[in-house]
Amino acid sequence: NAGVTQTPKFRILKIGQSMTLQCAQDMNHNYMYWYRQDPGMGLKLIYYSVGAGITDKGEVPNGYNVSRSTTEDFPLRLELAAPSQTSVYFCASSYSGDRASNQPQHFGDGTRLSIL
Amino acid sequence: KQEVTQIPAALSVPEGENLVLNCSFTDSAIYNLQWFRQDPGKGLTSLLLIQSSQREQTSGRLNASLDKSSGRSTLYIAASQPGDSATYLCAVGPTGTASKLTFGTGTRLQVTL
Repeated sequence: NAGVTQTPKFRILKIGQSMTLQCAQDMNHNYMYWYRQDPGMGLKLIYYSVGAGITDKGEVPNGYNVSRSTTEDFPLRLELAAPSQTSVYFCASSYSGDRASNQPQHFGDGTRLSIL
Repeated sequence: KQEVTQIPAALSVPEGENLVLNCSFTDSAIYNLQWFRQDPGKGLTSLLLIQSSQREQTSGRLNASLDKSSGRSTLYIAASQPGDSATYLCAVGPTGTASKLTFGTGTRLQVTL
């Protein structure tokens, strides 16, 4: 059981380049999330999705885009990379429905992104 | 806006000691509260989830309590072991949804031999 899989694990980008961070889950979870974690800070929600075709902004969405064409995949796109986007990015998923209140979020191992 | 604070930021204890990690939040209108563990270079692993209607949850040597009215939660770790060394984060979900968690900055725990 793979859980939440993120690729790549590490990446260095130049300012102005673009890239897509991949996230896939095999638990048939409806909800998926993207967070960023900066040193000494808590995780900040970038975007989330409650199901295929539905996405919404989190706390820090500027500079990012997402799409959700399938239940399994939730890629995060950086269009014009900036040094402020240097961070560790985590994807997570969770179950939605009547029992959602007692279902935790499951996290991937993260993508460490440096923009120089 | 919900704010989550964890004190202390770092803690070092000898093996075998019982310890308490603290989490406070400013808005008591929460859906649930979760405690996570994060190992260096890894993602988060859910330890315990407390629903807003519950007062505590237990799993093995871990016990988490929730006092919504005072905006506090504690994570109690009994008989600590070196393998418990990690960063522990708490997160609260707003009323009506399990999504959009607000995280604290974590407590970095080191258990020494």
